[in-house]
Amino acid sequence: SQQGEEDPQALSIQEGENATMNCSYKTSINNLQWYRQNSGRGLVHLILIRSNEREKHSGRLRVTLDTSKKSSSLLITASRAADTASYFCATDGAAGNKLTFGGGTRVLVKP
Amino acid sequence: GAGVSQTPSNKVTEKGKYVELRCDPISGHTALYWYRQSLGQGPEFLIYFQGTGAADDSGLPNDRFFAVRPEGSVSTLKIQRTERGDSAVYLCASSSMGLGGANVLTFGAGSRLTVL
Repeated sequence: SQQGEEDPQALSIQEGENATMNCSYKTSINNLQWYRQNSGRGLVHLILIRSNEREKHSGRLRVTLDTSKKSSSLLITASRAADTASYFCATDGAAGNKLTFGGGTRVLVKP
Repeated sequence: GAGVSQTPSNKVTEKGKYVELRCDPISGHTALYWYRQSLGQGPEFLIYFQGTGAADDSGLPNDRFFAVRPEGSVSTLKIQRTERGDSAVYLCASSSMGLGGANVLTFGAGSRLTVL
C-alpha cells in the first residue's frame, strides 16, 4: 500500500510558469521527502523536510509541510523544459527506516 | 562504487522461470532497499536490509520472492516460478542512514523484468 498520494496525477504547464503538486499521507511521520524520476531512469532525491519544519527551500524548489493536515506541497518556480519528470513524495514511519512512496505527479513543461 | 549499480538492466524471461536481479550499493552504505515499480505507478516497497539482515520484508508479495545480502554489500533479489504479473521495473536503493537519522535514498537505474 502507498502512504502518500499526490495530486494532481498529471500537470502540463508552459516554461516559466510555476508548478505546484500536493501530497497527502495517513500516519505520523518523522520526515517527508520529494524525489524526481525522469522517464526510464531511477529516482533522484530533491529535498527533505522534517516533521518539526513547516517550509524549506532549495534553489527553485519550495516545500511546505502541514502535519495537522498530513499534507505537503512542492512548488517548482520558473519551470524549465528540463523539469519534465514524475515527482514523488515519500514518507517514513515512526521507526524512520521504511520509506513509502506515493503514486506520483507527472509534470510536462512545454517550451 | 560511485553510484548504485543494478544488473541486468533488462531481463526477458518466460513464465515459470527463475530470475535473479543484482544490486551493488554505494560503498559503505549500510541500508539497502528493493522496490518494484509498475508503469505509471510509484515505487512499491518490497524489502530492506540493515547490514546483512532483512530488517523489514513486509512488502514481499509472496514466497516466490526472496532477497539476500550475505556480506552486507551486494544484494540479490530472487524470483521463483515467475508470473506475467511480476513484470515491472525493480529498483534498488541504498542509504547511509544511522539510527535516528534521516533516510535519504540513492537509487539505481533499475532492472526491467518482462515475463512472457
